Amino acid sequence: AQKVTQAQTEISVVEKEDVTLDCVYETRDTTYYLFWYKQPPSGELVFLIRRNSFDEQNEISGRYSWNFQKSTSSFNFTITASQVVDSAVYFCALSEAWGNNDMRFGAGTRLTVKP
Amino acid sequence: EPEVTQTPSHQVTQMGQEVILRCVPISNHLYFYWYRQILGQKVEFLVSFYNNEISEKSEIFDDQFSVERPDGSNFTLKIRSTKLEDSAMYFCASRKGEGDSGYTFGSGTRLTVV
Repeated sequence: AQKVTQAQTEISVVEKEDVTLDCVYETRDTTYYLFWYKQPPSGELVFLIRRNSFDEQNEISGRYSWNFQKSTSSFNFTITASQVVDSAVYFCALSEAWGNNDMRFGAGTRLTVKP
Repeated sequence: EPEVTQTPSHQVTQMGQEVILRCVPISNHLYFYWYRQILGQKVEFLVSFYNNEISEKSEIFDDQFSVERPDGSNFTLKIRSTKLEDSAMYFCASRKGEGDSGYTFGSGTRLTVV
């Protein structure tokens, strides 16, 4: 069975602080994909990153970085120098690589960045 | 960039009424999905659709729900007799093919049952 846990329900930081959002997953599949989505107050799901299970390289995209560690089944997301516009709910998700590919989402972490 | 289009963006319906949520997936995609997000909660899988039939459904997707691909472009979710607890954001998604992880989500339809 697949499961995604985002233990942090809410995080509040002050602008320019760095913040890390945790994601821990469970799956029996050896091949799978991990995702992060941002959901702003308008409600849509904004795709941030997709990572397959064979690629454990960390990724950096501007102020965003992701740390994938299979040994601890974690896929954490760090925002450097946070900005007010980063305020949103962030979801981590997992899907198997083959077959139906339905996605299992974590409960989400609400990030508030204060000026 | 190709998009998944959902209409309407917001629908209000009376309890007990039937409602149809519409989606136009990306044209060369073969796998289609509906997800639901009750306000303040996580996004939950409802159903997947491939080759003109349901390939998997969750326990949420009971007899009140149905999906259809009536023509070559639309993918619809019907709720036969809406309940208050059906109020949620409904997301449609599509994917190109087997082994392709490239999910594309629509912007969602917010359904309010009163």
